[in-house]
Amino acid sequence: EAQVTQNPRYLITVTGKKLTVTCSQNMNHEYMSWYRQDPGLGLRQIYYSMNVEVTDKGDVPEGYKVSRKEKRNFPLILESPSPNQTSLYFCASRPNRLDTEAFFGQGTRLTVV
Amino acid sequence: DAKTTQPPSMDCAEGRAANLPCNHSTISGNEYVYWYRQIHSQGPQYIIHGLKNNETNEMASLIITEDRKSSTLILPHATLRDTAVYYCIVRGGSQGNLIFGKGTKLSVKP
Repeated sequence: EAQVTQNPRYLITVTGKKLTVTCSQNMNHEYMSWYRQDPGLGLRQIYYSMNVEVTDKGDVPEGYKVSRKEKRNFPLILESPSPNQTSLYFCASRPNRLDTEAFFGQGTRLTVV
Repeated sequence: DAKTTQPPSMDCAEGRAANLPCNHSTISGNEYVYWYRQIHSQGPQYIIHGLKNNETNEMASLIITEDRKSSTLILPHATLRDTAVYYCIVRGGSQGNLIFGKGTKLSVKP
């Protein structure tokens, strides 16, 4: 089954403790991205990657890092999480930057205390 | 990037057609209109997209006006499971990013 898998689904952590949210897709898609969703602000793009070893900042990249060492995986790294990064996070993939249908993961609800 | 304007909320009776409008008056000639929906806090789901012509698939129909300044997503027979936030997106940006607005919260009622 074609899917985008995020882990964990829920995470509560403390300020400053490094964490990684994993994202994996099994569709051989080139383009992957991370979004965060906050009440009243909608979905905002954090980072995206057009292919292996190619990443770029989205609209709200501060406090996040990503890597794209292989096509299927696109982890989101929070080196020193802060409470303002408490949010619902979504990973998405699509065949390439021009293609139309994006597939989203189930989301990761992160709470930083 | 062309911006979109959608009503914040709409109601629809179960079994009736749901017509969700979207204004995109600044759309440029090569920009597509996309529709996604998000059920509760799940990941957004692609519905349909179009450029100029009307489009139909198993989920919905998309009607784009001749001047392309507005469009309507039609769910022909809405069910309770169609209750969701519906996003109209005009794809822009050199990297083809999807920029989500606030969408329309559709409530399908029995």
